[in-house]
Amino acid sequence: DAGVTQSPTHLIKTRGQQVTLRCSPKSGHDTVSWYQQALGQGPQFIFQYYEEEERQRGNFPDRFSGHQFPNYSSELNVNALLLGDSALYLCASSPYASSYNEQFFGPGTRLTVL
Amino acid sequence: AQSVAQPEDQVNVAEGNPLTVKCTYSVSGNPYLFWYVQYPNRGLQFLLKYITGDNLVKGSYGFEAEFNKSQTSFHLKKPSALVSDSALYFCAVRLADTGFQKLVFGTGTRLLVSP
Repeated sequence: DAGVTQSPTHLIKTRGQQVTLRCSPKSGHDTVSWYQQALGQGPQFIFQYYEEEERQRGNFPDRFSGHQFPNYSSELNVNALLLGDSALYLCASSPYASSYNEQFFGPGTRLTVL
Repeated sequence: AQSVAQPEDQVNVAEGNPLTVKCTYSVSGNPYLFWYVQYPNRGLQFLLKYITGDNLVKGSYGFEAEFNKSQTSFHLKKPSALVSDSALYFCAVRLADTGFQKLVFGTGTRLLVSP
């Protein structure tokens, strides 16, 4: 079992550009959540996808959007990048049916906006 | 709304000594509580969780945590620290008995275990 995988590992963009990050959940998991972890901070919840729909959203602007595919993999898109979007982006997966289960995190994508 | 406080930015302990990393929480209902560890340039690794039942929870790598409802705390403990335990530790909470899986994290506590 490969666990949660994310790509790319690192990414450098300039202000105003758009970026797409990808996540494959752990085998058997159908729910994907995305978190932003700024330097020196704890992860902040962006949104959660289940059955290809956004189910919950944190306090992030509409520039942040996502998608979930039929195979449960997910993408995070960020438009009009700002310097403040520089962070580690973490994907986490879990089985929705067992809501008390822990979320499994991927290694993250380090985004740097110049 | 849920929130988590980790009052110590860093905890220093000598190898072989017991360690405690503090966490308090606020949630409007019953909590599910979690501890995760993060090593440099890595994602978060699950250590342990409290869902219900025994207030003392045992987890991976010899870690344990005690749920105290009256003090709204969930402190992480280990009887004998190892240098390899040096890492960043996060406490997280979510509201129990719902389908929502949003985790609210604390700001993290850096644990430094000296030889």
